[in-house]
Amino acid sequence: DAEITQSPRHKITETGRQVTLACHQTWNHNNMFWYRQDLGHGLRLIHYSYGVQDTNKGEVSDGYSVSRSNTEDLPLTLESAASSQTSVYFCASSIGPSNEQFFGPGTRLTVL
Amino acid sequence: GQQLNQSPQSMFIQEGEDVSMNCTSSSIFNTWLWYKQDPGEGPVLLIALYKAGELTSNGRLTAQFGITRKDSFLNISASIPSDVGIYFCAGQNTDKLIFGTGTRLQVFP
Repeated sequence: DAEITQSPRHKITETGRQVTLACHQTWNHNNMFWYRQDLGHGLRLIHYSYGVQDTNKGEVSDGYSVSRSNTEDLPLTLESAASSQTSVYFCASSIGPSNEQFFGPGTRLTVL
Repeated sequence: GQQLNQSPQSMFIQEGEDVSMNCTSSSIFNTWLWYKQDPGEGPVLLIALYKAGELTSNGRLTAQFGITRKDSFLNISASIPSDVGIYFCAGQNTDKLIFGTGTRLQVFP
């Protein structure tokens, strides 16, 4: 069955380290999204991509970067992790810009 | 950033009761979506609404796209224990989703 997966599911790192969170979908969806979820803020968009080699900044993109080298993957990189980036991160994908988004299971990241 | 006003923030109900929650916005949307999130999991799409005034059901769930396109409602009938979770509304124009802050539902037997 087609699906969207994220790894790792849990990650603890130290301030200043580079961290990469993986997102992989097998639906062949063009659009992929990264969100962070924090208490009191709901889900906020970090970065998104409409296809290979396309990336765009979302609402809370500072300190994060993404790259899209193929259809299936959109890794999220924290160049220098900060304690404010402790959060739960969700990846999502959709077949087109105006279509429903389907979410992965999430990665819980703790920055000490 | 923009967020949708979702209410109530939390609900504690008894099994078998009906539940209603709503979402309002100062902006109009072309699509309204309702998601449910279980602990430790990602949001799962429950219902999608595409037209103002549309009423759509999915089992015991019924959702409506408000006529003004600035609000949406979700009703759950005859609640059961597995309905426990956080329910999120989301408004969509073109590519981006704007999420509500969620309604946490607890169901007691």
